[in-house]
Amino acid sequence: DTGVSQNPRHKITKRGQNVTFRCDPISEHNRLYWYRQTLGQGPEFLTYFQNEAQLEKSRLLSDRFSAERPKGSFSTLEIQRTEQGDSAMYLCASSGGGYTEAFFGQGTRLTVV
Amino acid sequence: GDSVTQMEGPVTLSEEAFLTINCTYTATGYPSLFWYVQYPGEGLQLLLKATKADDKGSNKGFEATYRKETTSFHLEKGSVQVSDSAVYFCALSDQYKLSFGAGTTVTVRA
Repeated sequence: DTGVSQNPRHKITKRGQNVTFRCDPISEHNRLYWYRQTLGQGPEFLTYFQNEAQLEKSRLLSDRFSAERPKGSFSTLEIQRTEQGDSAMYLCASSGGGYTEAFFGQGTRLTVV
Repeated sequence: GDSVTQMEGPVTLSEEAFLTINCTYTATGYPSLFWYVQYPGEGLQLLLKATKADDKGSNKGFEATYRKETTSFHLEKGSVQVSDSAVYFCALSDQYKLSFGAGTTVTVRA
């Protein structure tokens, strides 16, 4: 399977704990995106990388959130001091190789209890 | 900023019925337009796209035409199947990031 891969698929954590999610994009894609989706809503843009450079961050991305893409390959999204409002599906997508559309992973569902 | 408004659901149809989901957008430039679909238990998949005015995107019997004059990108299918039951998202992209509508849940009954 050469699609976008996200791990873990599900994460339950206690409020105040830190969590980290990983995304492996399609190998030839130079662009990588993180989105957040809450129940009944469409995905909302969080941040975007072109290769290893983080080029844009949404105002939704508070200072408790940090994303990295070392060496322009996989990416991690870390949430520090989680809050119940962070409970959501976190989606990763990648694009490139001459295609305009983004290809999405299956997401990581975070539940903060 | 850029935004997408799509028809609220849920929508329930019988097999072989005609489906239309309205989508309108607001954008400062000339965005590309997309329909994504999320089947139960699966991730978002691109259904179809259109990159300029008057383009028609089509896939799996679904069609949508990029109408600049009405800023719309309505999704249509002439005869739905039970397997089309899913959540459908309209989205636009200016250069890279996507702005999504809230999604429309479609249930097709046999």
